[in-house]
Amino acid sequence: DIQMTQSPSSLSASVGDRVTITCRASQTIHSYLNWYQQKPGKAPKLLIFAASTLQSGVPSRFSGSGSGTDFTLTISSLQPEDFATYYCLQTYSTSWTFGQGTKMEIK
Amino acid sequence: QVQLVQSGAEVKKPGASVKVSCKASGYTFIAYYMHWVRQAPGQGLEWMGWINPNSGGTNFAQKFQGRVTMTRDTSISTAYMELSGLRSDDTAVYYCARDTPQPDDWGQGTLVTVSS
Repeated sequence: DIQMTQSPSSLSASVGDRVTITCRASQTIHSYLNWYQQKPGKAPKLLIFAASTLQSGVPSRFSGSGSGTDFTLTISSLQPEDFATYYCLQTYSTSWTFGQGTKMEIK
Repeated sequence: QVQLVQSGAEVKKPGASVKVSCKASGYTFIAYYMHWVRQAPGQGLEWMGWINPNSGGTNFAQKFQGRVTMTRDTSISTAYMELSGLRSDDTAVYYCARDTPQPDDWGQGTLVTVSS
């Protein structure tokens, strides 16, 4: 099975900060990597698919990059509504794997 | 628009089974695999498996092999996930999610509480 290692597990940041979250796959997943945002009590919301494609309706301050085994999610200027938990998900294998999650907190 | 509507919350005793449904609308049900994902309180997302609604074929995470069953009823565009031998650590919100190149269609979640 493909393992996904996401870091950091938590992140304290301020409004306006630029933040980066990383995910590393245990083997190549090409660009089959999605990023989700989840708020308490809600289903995950897709932000980025295919490693770098912004989902329709998602603000342009979110961006994704990477291919193969190393991927990043960047938020260029944190907004108050961005404080949430973020997950990566590989869909290269039909057995999906999520990263452990990154909880974004207000500094 | 695509909708996945799940059944309501359940409370079960240890050792019991639970069956969660996911009714799909707004697309051709048999055209897309359906995944099941769970989230224990305060924990991350955990993939459980998928069902191919066309063939009924399934694939499960090793952790759930022998305890999970996934079925479907194509006549009512509904997928089901049944988990047996429930333990307290199966307390979680269970989600269905449609498999597409940009998987953004999720059910609202079903809370399953396992408690004696």
